[in-house]
Amino acid sequence: GPKVLQIPSHQIIDMGQMVTLNCDPVSNHLYFYWYKQILGQQMEFLVNFYNGKVMEKSKLFKDQFSVERPDGSYFTLKIQPTALEDSAVYFCASSYYAEQFFGPGTRLTVL
Amino acid sequence: GDQVEQSPSALSLHEGTGSALRCNFTTTMRAVQWFQQNSRGSLINLFYLASGTKENGRLKSTFNSKESYSTLHIRDAQLEDSGTYFCAAEANSGGSNAKLTFGKGTKLSVKS
Repeated sequence: GPKVLQIPSHQIIDMGQMVTLNCDPVSNHLYFYWYKQILGQQMEFLVNFYNGKVMEKSKLFKDQFSVERPDGSYFTLKIQPTALEDSAVYFCASSYYAEQFFGPGTRLTVL
Repeated sequence: GDQVEQSPSALSLHEGTGSALRCNFTTTMRAVQWFQQNSRGSLINLFYLASGTKENGRLKSTFNSKESYSTLHIRDAQLEDSGTYFCAAEANSGGSNAKLTFGKGTKLSVKS
């Protein structure tokens, strides 16, 4: 099926530092999403993005979070500054219309 | 409370047997997706349904929006079916790129 790629697969950083998580969505997809999963538990929606704009964000999408996709390159999630509770696996997803396809996740550890 | 209630939370099957997973929705949903999360953590798309029933190999899924539930049936379970299964649904009120609300997952162990 369609492949979404995420870079890096793991990232370890110190609290307070900035981190950027990169997503390479399926090439013809129009909608992009970030989800957060803590310790293999429930997946939770963070944000969705279409036509260069955030369409909807959840309460988990704190002010320290931002997303962008400059000129069709990677769809990125930036956290600045990071906090201990940001440790989780972050999944990117993309869809052409409705069915979402997920990347393998980036495991973020904040020390 | 949770909009997506998934059961059971854990399930153990012997190879060759089958069972059903279920998600109940507390709000009107317009579509559901089912995923298998494997041991590496990757989410594998199993089904996308806006209504009715779909079948793929040993898996079959049904979505009934009116009665607010979806099921995933597994038959002739194999060892590689082990993993955590999630349902995730789009609320009816969402736009064309509506967020998915996930259930808490069913951890399936298939034993020989």
